[in-house]
Amino acid sequence: DTEVTQTPKHLVMGMTNKKSLKCEQHMGHRAMYWYKQKAKKPPELMFVYSYEKLSINESVPSRFSPECPNSSLLNLHLHALQPEDSALYLCASSHRQGPMNTEAFFGQGTRLTVV
Amino acid sequence: GQQLNQSPQSMFIQEGEDVSMNCTSSSIFNTWLWYKQDPGEGPVLLIALYKAGELTSNGRLTAQFGITRKDSFLNISASIPSDVGIYFCAGENTGNQFYFGTGTSLTVIP
Repeated sequence: DTEVTQTPKHLVMGMTNKKSLKCEQHMGHRAMYWYKQKAKKPPELMFVYSYEKLSINESVPSRFSPECPNSSLLNLHLHALQPEDSALYLCASSHRQGPMNTEAFFGQGTRLTVV
Repeated sequence: GQQLNQSPQSMFIQEGEDVSMNCTSSSIFNTWLWYKQDPGEGPVLLIALYKAGELTSNGRLTAQFGITRKDSFLNISASIPSDVGIYFCAGENTGNQFYFGTGTSLTVIP
């Protein structure tokens, strides 16, 4: 099973709304990631969690707030977003942190539209 | 983030033809990965490469991890219509971060 599940699949929110994106995996992976992807562009790394601790924040604005409640779940809390934040948000997981090789498995993404 | 340059940017080929695309980076990576992404979906892993010089196949797909650890290529043989999509390379660094190439859009003409 290499499944990463993201909910919701689509989300429309106003600039004053607060919403959350959710991601779940049951592969026992200890690293989880959020990526942002604009149309016709590659995914861009936003955050990395390793063993439920935030290890990488790629200079993401504070209106995006990640949370890792346990080893299977990853959330992305959204507040006061701008229309240019509209994008496909992808969650991924990989086996572990450290020097060993690993692969990242991706969810289907949440298509976010900010109006 | 780290920059991975992928070429070509797009390809239009006849069904049955072979396809080749490559990815280069200024940084060394521990792992090279190739993904395919359909519109509105997440990337799906096609092939993973773990050692410099490694050549790996998955059906009609063949990929190689460059000796310098800064490049990789993907070949698709005998293309079929369902090969249509965007192909991304990705490199994994020592911090287990994955960075993506700029993508190759493949169109297969029946």
